[in-house]
This record gives sequence, structure tokens and C-alpha cells, in this order.
Amino acid sequence: SQTIHQWPATLVQPVGSPLSLECTVEGTSNPNLYWYRQAAGRGLQLLFYSVGIGQISSEVPQNLSASRPQDRQFILSSKKLLLSDSGFYLCAWSARGLPGNTIYFGEGSWLTVV
Amino acid sequence: AQSVTQPDIHITVSEGASLELRCNYSYGATPYLFWYVQSPGQGLQLLLKYFSGDTLVQGIKGFEAEFKRSQSSFNLRKPSVHWSDAAEYFCAVGSTDSWGKLQFGAGTQVVVTP
Repeated sequence: SQTIHQWPATLVQPVGSPLSLECTVEGTSNPNLYWYRQAAGRGLQLLFYSVGIGQISSEVPQNLSASRPQDRQFILSSKKLLLSDSGFYLCAWSARGLPGNTIYFGEGSWLTVV
Repeated sequence: AQSVTQPDIHITVSEGASLELRCNYSYGATPYLFWYVQSPGQGLQLLLKYFSGDTLVQGIKGFEAEFKRSQSSFNLRKPSVHWSDAAEYFCAVGSTDSWGKLQFGAGTQVVVTP
């Protein structure tokens, strides 16, 4: 069966520090990969999606970036965090091919920027 | 423009009572519809999904949802709620031309009282 792991689960970072959140998917190949953010009391916002290694599309302008160095690895990064980057970050995957495939989420990473 | 609306931000329901969560969407293409549930501090779990066919969809944990194209709605129901159903519920919509990028509603927080 397929599983998705993301880490760290929680982190507190000072303003201006770098960020790296990692996500890996197991049990499937060539998945579509996503990073979502959920700010307090708000819905989910798609930040990045990827259809393959090195292929990243950004949905919203921001100081975050994403990379996909391997087929099942997706990394969310920032060189300098802002207070507004605080939130709950969710990595997700879906199978390639059919549109409307279900998106499966990881357990999320709580980021607090102080 | 594509949008998903969950009109109820917060619902309180007594244990054993019925529950209905509303979801309305505005989508140009053929929609694919999902309901996810999120327990505090955790990722999202898929409850059910509608792609085509029977408009009444059965999901996990005793939930069901009905797709009504004429009303652009996909409401979630459960005949008798349990205390463990207290969580936040998200409606999401995808389409044939967005291949996996879901548009999420803002969520409905469900509180279950004894």
C-alpha cells in the first residue's frame, strides 16, 4: 500500500532563518506531488505541485520554493522565513493519469515563525 | 471563476443526532467532488468522493453525500453522529482540466455535545 511521510512534525523557527520540510511517498511511482498550506482558521491553499522530477509549478507568489530531486521526494524550502509563513503545511500525492484522482495527504508539519 | 463554498463555519450537534454539512461549488468543467475530515493537528483523511454514476455516494465512518447538479451542491450527511465525529470537514472540487489540483472550501468545524 501507498504511504506518505513528511517531517518534521513541528518546528519553531526565528524570522529570517531557513526552512526545509521534506516529504516522501512509498508504494507508488511517478506520483503527482503537492504542497498545501493551511493558515489558522482558514482552508487549504495549494502552494506547489509537481508532475515529475525537477518539474515544479507555483500557484501563489511567496518566498517559499519547492524542489523534487527524486521521483517520490518533495521538499519545501525558504531562505528567509517571514512571520506570515507560520501555518500547517501538508504534503500530498495523487496517482498519475486520470484526472480527478484522489489526493492523499500526509500528517502535516506545524511551522511557527517567531 | 472556480469556487467552493461551505456556508457553515461551525456546527454544534448532539451525539446521536443527524448531521448535514453543506457544500456548494461553481465550476465550469465536469466536477469531481470530495469530502475530507481533519482531526486536530492531523492531516486530512478522505471520507468519500464522487466522480460519476450514482449521485448518492457512501463513504467511511457512516457518512454519505449526494451530488445535485441542478443545485451545484454536494452535501455530506450522517444519520447519527458519534463523539468521535468532532472534527473539521472540508469539501473539495477538482475537474477534468485541473488533473489533481483541488479547490478546497474553508471548512466546517463540527462540535459534538453529550
